[in-house]
Amino acid sequence: AQSVAQPEDQVNVAEGNPLTVKCTYSVSGNPYLFWYVQYPNRGLQFLLKYITGDNLVKGSYGFEAEFNKSQTSFHLKKPSALVSDSALYFCAVRDIRGYSTLTFGKGTMLLVSP
Amino acid sequence: NAGVMQNPRHLVRRRGQEARLRCSPMKGHSHVYWYRQLPEEGLKFMVYLQKENIIDESGMPKERFSAEFPKEGPSILRIQQVVRGDSAAYFCASSLPGGSNTEAFFGQGTRLTVV
Repeated sequence: AQSVAQPEDQVNVAEGNPLTVKCTYSVSGNPYLFWYVQYPNRGLQFLLKYITGDNLVKGSYGFEAEFNKSQTSFHLKKPSALVSDSALYFCAVRDIRGYSTLTFGKGTMLLVSP
Repeated sequence: NAGVMQNPRHLVRRRGQEARLRCSPMKGHSHVYWYRQLPEEGLKFMVYLQKENIIDESGMPKERFSAEFPKEGPSILRIQQVVRGDSAAYFCASSLPGGSNTEAFFGQGTRLTVV
């Protein structure tokens, strides 16, 4: 069975500072990894994905994520946080069944203070 | 190009009533997925459908829940005889065919409250 772990329920960072939201995964075979963001009372918005290729993936709104196969991690990063980045962030892994069905982590709340 | 449309956005039902949640996928998308988000939890897969076919319903509770995606019209998630534990946000996602390289696009969700 596949799984995703987001070890932090909440991450606090000051505006302008770099941010990292952690994600580790467990999957058989090659992982296909995704990050989504959820703003209050909204649906999930796709941020970025890793399928193959460069370990550093760039996505929307200045976010990027680093795939590390040896550590089975896919941490989300941003060099300079904005207050508007405050939201709930989900890491997800694509299911081995070959569909777009995703297995999600429990989410990490990011709070960026002014 | 409108995104994934879900309605209603909020739904209140009394225990024992039926809830019907609708999802219109993005234009050109033939794959639909339903997820449930319980308070303080991540999203849990429920069911995966293509037009007129249920591909995978392994995440769907065995009783009271059903889903369809007819040839014409939206996908429907139906919950019969709702109980308080059904209160959650239900998200629909759609994608193009293609599998591994295809990300899913999510609707804004339907928040079901059972009173």
